[in-house]
Amino acid sequence: ETGVTQTPRHLVMGMTNKKSLKCEQHLGHNAMYWYKQSAKKPLELMFVYNFKEQTENNSVPSRFSPECPNSSHLFLHLHTLQPEDSALYLCASSQGLTGAGYEQYFGPGTRLTVT
Amino acid sequence: TQLLEQSPQFLSIQEGENLTVYCNSSSVFSSLQWYRQEPGEGPVLLVTVVTGGEVKKLKRLTFQFGDARKDSSLHITAAQTGDTGLYLCAGTQGGSEKLVFGKGTKLTVNP
Repeated sequence: ETGVTQTPRHLVMGMTNKKSLKCEQHLGHNAMYWYKQSAKKPLELMFVYNFKEQTENNSVPSRFSPECPNSSHLFLHLHTLQPEDSALYLCASSQGLTGAGYEQYFGPGTRLTVT
Repeated sequence: TQLLEQSPQFLSIQEGENLTVYCNSSSVFSSLQWYRQEPGEGPVLLVTVVTGGEVKKLKRLTFQFGDARKDSSLHITAAQTGDTGLYLCAGTQGGSEKLVFGKGTKLTVNP
């Protein structure tokens, strides 16, 4: 299944680096999401975009900066991260917003390690 | 406080055995979804249940939504090694855009 793709799949970065995660969906969906999955914690919603507009920021620190240039692409720009930010970052998309009953489809994730 | 509690946290069984995992909450959910996630991959949607008391079957997997829409269960009959993975439940509440996840049940099916 290649409906939602994410690059890179693995990323190691130092605390002073700047990097970006990319997500692309080929499903014709209008909503896109960023999640963080850490060990021993449930998936945490970070950001929601609907028709390129941000509709949710779940109190995410400013060192994470999302960008949604169109309904098919979503980026997560990273700078001055902390070791505790190491996690699996998952992108998802849905036809419409979850609250309206639409199901989310996930990409394979980017495994991020901050050293 | 975890909104969705999944149990057990870990389960290791032999191929051919049956099992049930649970997803419980004190809150009402508009819908509940079950996902399976394999190591190094994203969650894959298995089923969505929306009506209290609803039962859905997907081959050897049976999903049930509680009458009060506060809990759900996943029953697997004659487990196979390919069923190994992390099973996640997730729910939506009252028009919220957030999909709330449980911590998951890590299932290992041994040959």
